Amino acid sequence: QSALTQPASVSGSPGQSVTISCTGTSSDVGAYNYVSWYQQHPGKAPKLMISDVSNRPSGVSNRFSVSKSGNTASLTISGLQAEDEADYYCSSYTSSTTLEFGGGTKLTVL
Amino acid sequence: EVQLVESGGGLVQPGRSLRLSCAASGFTFDDYAMHWVRQAPGKGLEWVSGISWNSGSIGYADSVKGRFTISRDNAKNSLYLQMNSLRTEDTALYYCAKDMGAYFGSGSSPDYWGQGTLVTVSS
Repeated sequence: QSALTQPASVSGSPGQSVTISCTGTSSDVGAYNYVSWYQQHPGKAPKLMISDVSNRPSGVSNRFSVSKSGNTASLTISGLQAEDEADYYCSSYTSSTTLEFGGGTKLTVL
Repeated sequence: EVQLVESGGGLVQPGRSLRLSCAASGFTFDDYAMHWVRQAPGKGLEWVSGISWNSGSIGYADSVKGRFTISRDNAKNSLYLQMNSLRTEDTALYYCAKDMGAYFGSGSSPDYWGQGTLVTVSS
């Protein structure tokens, strides 16, 4: 069982918005602004989409945004495109000086 | 361009050892912390270990603590993972990943990943 809880799957139609949640505890997500989000296409390595809660690497679309409330962080993808279909993982630094990942969410673009 | 190339994976029997390597290029290796992250077939990502730029701070997941050892050679731009007492549940694709910062434990996380090397533990 993953330390961070994500929904197993979400879906949306092109042009719509979807939100993926990542729920942790007061020892990880709730304690630090160090939540990152990764996109992974089948057979590919993960790609960093947003780091430290809200820093977007160059080249990543501004259709990807994040928010955080208490022990839950959320990734919102607006204006869904077919290329967004992938697995998404959150990660968080922890008070035990480790890194944790969520179980992953499969995004399907209908 | 950041490049991370893992090697050393393969088929190994339970209880045996294996050493993974990661050759880094395209960035100043000794300016950044590094990580190993694994992914079992059809499963999610699992952080394995991290190391600061100068090896001064190291961390392990509970699942590998006492069995795996991370190390780096900044002169060779290389990261290593020594895996001992391997178990069937260690079967996974092992990724080498560069951190965004220099210090493991500062809160930053991986930004670039290699393509991985597959470790299969089976009798």
